[in-house]
Amino acid sequence: GDSVTQMEGPVTLSEEAFLTINCTYTATGYPSLFWYVQYPGEGLQLLLKATKADDKGSNKGFEATYRKETTSFHLEKGSVQVSDSAVYFCALDTGTASKLTFGTGTRLQVTL
Amino acid sequence: DAGVIQSPRHEVTEMGQEVTLRCKPISGHNSLFWYRQTMMRGLELLIYFNNNVPIDDSGMPEDRFSAKMPNASFSTLKIQPSEPRDSAVYFCASRPGQGLEKLFFGSGTQLSVL
Repeated sequence: GDSVTQMEGPVTLSEEAFLTINCTYTATGYPSLFWYVQYPGEGLQLLLKATKADDKGSNKGFEATYRKETTSFHLEKGSVQVSDSAVYFCALDTGTASKLTFGTGTRLQVTL
Repeated sequence: DAGVIQSPRHEVTEMGQEVTLRCKPISGHNSLFWYRQTMMRGLELLIYFNNNVPIDDSGMPEDRFSAKMPNASFSTLKIQPSEPRDSAVYFCASRPGQGLEKLFFGSGTQLSVL
């Protein structure tokens, strides 16, 4: 079945540090890949997505590239801010079941 | 649009009591999802509906859980009887169709079963 594996958190960084959160997936078919972010006390919201191999999704300084050869979709940001502190979820959707499969989430904590 | 609206925001109940969680999806959205979030298990899909019809309920933990969607603007998730291990945050989400579109999440219901 479809699955998403994320690096375990929490990830603690100082402001302006470089961020990488690893995500790999297993899927039948050709999934679309997503990163969702959950700020404290809120529901998840879409951060970025990529729908086919080699696509790069980007938003708010975050980027992720769909790598079919390594079945990965790692999230990166060049310079994190305290306001980026949140839980980040990698997810996939093959469209066949019309439902998202989420990873377990990675908590990011950014300190001054 | 007000987004996906869930109620109550917080629910504290005693073991054995019935709990009903409510969700109003975004107007015009045809698909609705119920998720449960815990520290141990992360985000789990419980059930989803398309055009008010349950499509996949394989994530519903057991018979104590039931979900309904009587119309396009309202869904409920009921737990009867509730148990302490049901304590979690329950999220409702909706999206316009069945395609590869983003989900819009509500703010969740924090359920505590004592």
